[in-house]
Parts: sequence; structure tokens; C-alpha cells
Amino acid sequence: DTGVSQDPRHKITKRGQNVTFRCDPISEHNRLYWYRQTLGQGPEFLTYFQNEAQLEKSRLLSDRFSAERPKGSFSTLEIQRTEQGDSAMYLCASSPGTGGNQPQHFGDGTRLSIL
Amino acid sequence: DAKTTQPTSMDCAEGRAANLPCNHSTISGNEYVYWYRQIHSQGPQYIIHGLKNNETNEMASLIITEDRKSSTLILPHATLRDTAVYYCIVRPLSSASKIIFGSGTRLSIRP
Repeated sequence: DTGVSQDPRHKITKRGQNVTFRCDPISEHNRLYWYRQTLGQGPEFLTYFQNEAQLEKSRLLSDRFSAERPKGSFSTLEIQRTEQGDSAMYLCASSPGTGGNQPQHFGDGTRLSIL
Repeated sequence: DAKTTQPTSMDCAEGRAANLPCNHSTISGNEYVYWYRQIHSQGPQYIIHGLKNNETNEMASLIITEDRKSSTLILPHATLRDTAVYYCIVRPLSSASKIIFGSGTRLSIRP
């Protein structure tokens, strides 16, 4: 499968713990995006990378959240001191770095449950 | 905020064409109309996009009105596997732009 891969698919943790998710984009896609989706809502944008540079962050991305893409390939999203409100599906998407109107392709997400 | 308006839910009989409407009356000249769908427990799946001409691919057809203020996604022969939430989105020409999702249309295909 050559689509966007996310790991783990499910994560259950206690409030206050730190969690880290990984996203492997489609090969040679320079742009990588993170979104968050709560039950019954559409996904909400969190942050965007062009290669290794983080170019945009949503105000939803509080200081407990940090995202990296160290070599411009895979990306990690870390949440520190998790809270109940962090329970959501975390989605990653990627798109090619050239050409206009290229669609974003999504992974199947990591579902985070905070106990 | 999302720049599109969609019905909350629709249903369609299996084998019939499903026509999903979308209003985007404030769309700008450099904005494309995109459609994604999300099947339960999966990530959004890209379907189709267009600027002003009608588009067709192996999944669906996209009909955009001449004034570009509305569009319709057509699934020509709906199957049970087409049951999903369908999102209509407008995005600027730049492929770097984030997607702003609305609440979408929940399409149910009945046997």
C-alpha cells in the first residue's frame, strides 16, 4: 500500500500522560498536514509542513502540542500532559510539492482516547 | 469557517444515481471546488475537483453551475459502500492551502 500511513491506529492513555503519533506520507510528497477530528465534526486543521519546515500552525495547536518533520519525510505529533479534551481522531495528509490544485491524501488516522 | 452549505443528510436507493448538492455563493475566481468523502472509521478520501468545467472520473461526476455558486456531485450508480459523509470544499489555487471542512452531508444508501 502506497498511501499515507499512520501509527498507531488507536491509543488509550491516562490523563496527564504524553503521547506521540507518527505519520508516513506518500513517497515524494513534500507537503504534510495534521488535522484533528472530534465526533460528528469535520476535520480541523492543526499544522502544515513543506519538507522539514513547519509553515503554518492553527491556534488549536496549544503549547502542549508539538509537531516535527526532521528529515522532510515522516512526521510526529506529540501531545504533552494530555487532557480529556484531547480525545479525538488525529489525521495526517500529504500532497505533492509542485503544481496547483493538488489534492491532499489522508491516512486513516490515530484515534486517541483519554481515560 | 467553511464557505460551503450542504444538506445535513440524504438517502438514495442502491443502483440509483445519488446527487449531492453544495452551495458556495461566495466562491472566488481562483478557488476550486473539491469533494471528499469519509467512510466510518477511515480518513477522508479525495473524490474529484473542478474549477468551472464539469469533471468526471471513475468515481463520480462534478457539475458546476455557470455562475460557480453551486455544484452537484453525482454518484451514477450508488452502492451500499457509498454510504459515507460527503464534504464539499472550496480551496484557493495554491496547493499548499489547508482544507477547511464543514459538517458535510451524511449519505445513506438503502438496499
